[in-house]
Amino acid sequence: QQPVQSPQAVILREGEDAVINCSSSKALYSVHWYRQKHGEAPVFLMILLKGGEQKGHDKISASFNEKKQQSSLYLTASQLSYSGTYFCGTPPPHGGATNKLIFGTGTLLAVQP
Amino acid sequence: GAGVSQSPRYKVAKRGQDVALRCDPISGHVSLFWYQQALGQGPEFLTYFQNEAQLDKSGLPSDRFFAERPEGSVSTLKIQRTQQEDSAVYLCASSFRRGSNNQPQHFGDGTRLSIL
Repeated sequence: QQPVQSPQAVILREGEDAVINCSSSKALYSVHWYRQKHGEAPVFLMILLKGGEQKGHDKISASFNEKKQQSSLYLTASQLSYSGTYFCGTPPPHGGATNKLIFGTGTLLAVQP
Repeated sequence: GAGVSQSPRYKVAKRGQDVALRCDPISGHVSLFWYQQALGQGPEFLTYFQNEAQLDKSGLPSDRFFAERPEGSVSTLKIQRTQQEDSAVYLCASSFRRGSNNQPQHFGDGTRLSIL
């Protein structure tokens, strides 16, 4: 079951803040956040495992709600380098032998000077 | 190498031809994944290897798709009798340990496949 991301796209000026949401109708085992620039590899940002968890580095942080059905990615004082498409990813509900990820619908972020 | 390496970066083939895409994961990484990414979409899982064992191939769209990792390092994704709907970016990712959901996957830049 694919997580739903919102918004689909957002345009910011440098220095502005943004929030990207990743939601599921069922509790998620974990949430992985990636950023992908056009024509490049998705780059790992962070993983959240526990309900109520918050973590971050530099000006990018994320939270995972208590019910583990929603995660939010916070981009503070955005920089041009933050532009790209952000994906959340989560393991399938019943796990299995792999740690494959089911990726969300994506959020296109454009930061303008 | 420092990261996951994929080749070729771009591949153009005529419908019906066979293609082979190569992935060289980060040295020592046990887990290797192939994903397919359509334009404007998130990556979709194709198959997973733990060392040389293919433990999950549930995402392969048809029996025209075949993947191998014979020595537990380099992997090849082969598509036989290509069709236009196979056009996509094929991403390879690796991670250090096996079967754990709390570790990052490291992606290559992908192979952009175009079927004419």
